[in-house]
Amino acid sequence: KQEVTQIPAALSVPEGENLVLNCSFTDSAIYNLQWFRQDPGKGLTSLLLIQSSQREQTSGRLNASLDKSSGRSTLYIAASQPGDSATYLCAPPRPYSGAGSYQLTFGKGTKLSVIP
Amino acid sequence: EPEVTQTPSHQVTQMGQEVILRCVPISNHLYFYWYRQILGQKVEFLVSFYNNEISEKSEIFDDQFSVERPDGSNFTLKIRSTKLEDSAMYFCASSETEDVEAFFGQGTRLTVV
Repeated sequence: KQEVTQIPAALSVPEGENLVLNCSFTDSAIYNLQWFRQDPGKGLTSLLLIQSSQREQTSGRLNASLDKSSGRSTLYIAASQPGDSATYLCAPPRPYSGAGSYQLTFGKGTKLSVIP
Repeated sequence: EPEVTQTPSHQVTQMGQEVILRCVPISNHLYFYWYRQILGQKVEFLVSFYNNEISEKSEIFDDQFSVERPDGSNFTLKIRSTKLEDSAMYFCASSETEDVEAFFGQGTRLTVV
């Protein structure tokens, strides 16, 4: 069973700071990991999918890394802005067990507040 | 940009009533999912659907739940007799294949009273 832990649970930073969100997972037999953003009471917006064959994936000011062997992924946000305020969720799949078995396992998230 | 759409955005129902939550996945996607998030808790997997049948379901997805793809575009989740503990945000998701990016809808907030 896949267990996902995200640290810190909450983070408050002044605008312009670079920051790192951490995710650890218990089962490293995964072939990708997805990061999402969730605004209060809203849906999940996919930010990045990083494949196990990649070490890093970048999208704009976001950079995600994946270290399968240690069961860790980090999301780096450069030059944070107030609009980045949201909860960030890490979601590796559970280990693959055959066709149709793909399912994401979510962490509790890191709630980010960027202060203007 | 293609997106997953869900209706309604909010549904209030009385305990014991049946509800149907509707989703239109992205048109060329083949894999469909339902997840739910009870207020303040993690997002949890409910069921996956491929090739017109359930491919995987969690322990949450008991006999009160069912899914259907009634036509080429809609994907529905039915709860036969709602309980108070079914109150949650329900998310539909779809993906082109199994191991690529999954796209989620905006969710349906279900409130059982």
